[in-house]
Amino acid sequence: DQQVKQNSPSLSVQEGRISILNCDYTNSMFDYFLWYKKYPAEGPTFLISISSIKDKNEDGRFTVFLNKSAKHLSLHIVPSQPGDSAVYFCAATSNSNSGYALNFGKGTSLLVTP
Amino acid sequence: NAGVMQNPRHLVRRRGQEARLRCSPMKGHSHVYWYRQLPEEGLKFMVYLQKENIIDESGMPKERFSAEFPKEGPSILRIQQVVRGDSAAYFCASSEAEAYEQYFGPGTRLTVT
Repeated sequence: DQQVKQNSPSLSVQEGRISILNCDYTNSMFDYFLWYKKYPAEGPTFLISISSIKDKNEDGRFTVFLNKSAKHLSLHIVPSQPGDSAVYFCAATSNSNSGYALNFGKGTSLLVTP
Repeated sequence: NAGVMQNPRHLVRRRGQEARLRCSPMKGHSHVYWYRQLPEEGLKFMVYLQKENIIDESGMPKERFSAEFPKEGPSILRIQQVVRGDSAAYFCASSEAEAYEQYFGPGTRLTVT
């Protein structure tokens, strides 16, 4: 069963505009949420994370918002740049027998056009 | 300041052969996770290891798959008697003890012919 869902397979945004990537989850026990960026034929690169006790975390052009009551989080990229074009994965985890094994969504492919 | 290293980057095996995938964690990281990504899918957890210990292998098929993280040397994911369905990208990630942030290697793309 898919505990983390990214319902938009793709998103196209103009350079300079805001990109908003969305993620929903079903397991209320998740403690941490992470966003990874992935280029083809490379491994995921960690972008930003947020603890379940917070509702916002910001790092440069990247901001993650968490709405626990809706079990929803989003990643905002402002301003978007062509180099941001990649697949973005949302992941969630909690401390368990599996350590902090990550539960991933299927990803959203972001295309930033000049 | 090397990141997570994986080799080989690409591996081609015929059905029935064995595949060995290696992962060297980041310096200072003692926890290793293996994930598999099938085409058009997200990454799926397979196994979680600490030095000399398999902590949880609940995401790994019971047969043909095994993993180890010896005291010295890289972590190894071993797939015996590979089948076409094993074709996927296999990623290793490492973390510090008690940390949730994981850093991934470039992956090994396994193709079974």
